[in-house]
Amino acid sequence: DIQMTQSPASLSASLGETVTIECLASEDIYDILAWYQQKPGKSPQLLIYDASSLHTGVPSRFSGSGSGTQYSLKINSLQPEDFASYYCQNGLSAPLTFGSGTKLEIK
Amino acid sequence: VQLVESGGGLVQPGKSLKLSCSASGFTFSSYGMHWIRQAPGKGLDWVAYISSSSGTVYADAVKGRFTISRDNAKNTLYLQLNSLKSEDTAIYYCARSSNYVYYGLGYWGQGVMVTVSS
Repeated sequence: DIQMTQSPASLSASLGETVTIECLASEDIYDILAWYQQKPGKSPQLLIYDASSLHTGVPSRFSGSGSGTQYSLKINSLQPEDFASYYCQNGLSAPLTFGSGTKLEIK
Repeated sequence: VQLVESGGGLVQPGKSLKLSCSASGFTFSSYGMHWIRQAPGKGLDWVAYISSSSGTVYADAVKGRFTISRDNAKNTLYLQLNSLKSEDTAIYYCARSSNYVYYGLGYWGQGVMVTVSS
């Protein structure tokens, strides 16, 4: 199984700041990776697929990059609604493993 | 797109439960569907996938105990949970594959709670 190691586990930032969340796969996943946002008590929402393609309706302040085993999610100019948990997901092969998550909190 | 899960509840270890996910707002038969779970206060855990042609894949932790199925005539996805263990306690979500990639979980239901306890 492909292991997804996500960092940091938690992150404090201020409104308007830019933050980056990292995801390391245990093997090359050829950009077959997705990112999700989950707010407390809500279902997750797809943000990015294929490492850098924005899902329909996702604001352009979200961007994804990376290749091979190393990927990142960048959020520019943090808005109040961005404070949530974020997860990466391997899409290359089953099981479709998730990272352990990053909780983004307001500083 | 709307996905509505049902069938959750409290069940004893070793017993069975069947979850349903009613789909609307899209052509159900054309899309792959997933089940994902989340234990209380924990991260996301992918459980199973069924393609539009009913091919299936499972996580190792549930293989042989859980069965994913679909009824395209009823626009409904199912998850049969057998031989339940305490570690299966979680919110179970159904999700539809995105329009672009099968692994992209583009639409989610609200989730249904399954509690395994004596």
